[in-house]
Amino acid sequence: QVQLQESDPGLVKPSETLSLTCTLSGASMIRSSQYWVWLRQPPGKGLEWIASIEKGGFTHYNSSLQSRVTISIDNFRNQFSLNLRSVTATDTAVYYCARGPYIMGHYWYFDLWGRGTLITVSS
Amino acid sequence: IVLTQSPGTMSLSPGDRATLSCRASQIVRSNDLAWYQQKPGQAPRLLIYDVSIGATGIPDRFSGSGSGTDFTLTISRLEPEDFGVYYCQQYSSSPVTFGGGTKLEIK
Repeated sequence: QVQLQESDPGLVKPSETLSLTCTLSGASMIRSSQYWVWLRQPPGKGLEWIASIEKGGFTHYNSSLQSRVTISIDNFRNQFSLNLRSVTATDTAVYYCARGPYIMGHYWYFDLWGRGTLITVSS
Repeated sequence: IVLTQSPGTMSLSPGDRATLSCRASQIVRSNDLAWYQQKPGQAPRLLIYDVSIGATGIPDRFSGSGSGTDFTLTISRLEPEDFGVYYCQQYSSSPVTFGGGTKLEIK
């Protein structure tokens, strides 16, 4: 069974860097034609796409967060990661990793999701 | 592209037909629109992609339609497990965006 699992740092202090890792099991990133994606959902609110990456390292970022975000991939460990710098309370959210199909000329819908991890920004 | 979903909340009985609307601020090209269901404490689940194609394992009571700027998710005969929040998402342009959601309550 193919699954995604986010790491769980829990609490992050304001102005620090949030670091998250997502691990894929039951499939191989290096053999896939997929995009690997981070999204988030503040408590009680809607969904926001953050960034996407494919196995060759090509990235896409949401312009609203691009100045603070880096996404990276480690195909051999079957992992991809997110760093979000200079966090504030408005970055408090459930962070999801997900998978999107690679289709030439299109962006992504998301057909596989991790369970999500709640990140709280607080001192 | 801003997606506006309506109604915000709907309360229906098992066996009813549910019709959920998603309106885009610009034309969504190439049928690049998806629908998700989210239950409390869970990740969203993909229901429909490319406007009308059911995702793997999704019951055929869920169907999608529309084009341009107006899209609809229809649940033909509600089951008790269909409660939750439903989101539309466009992947026609970057950034991909989601609607604000429709909360479906089962009476």
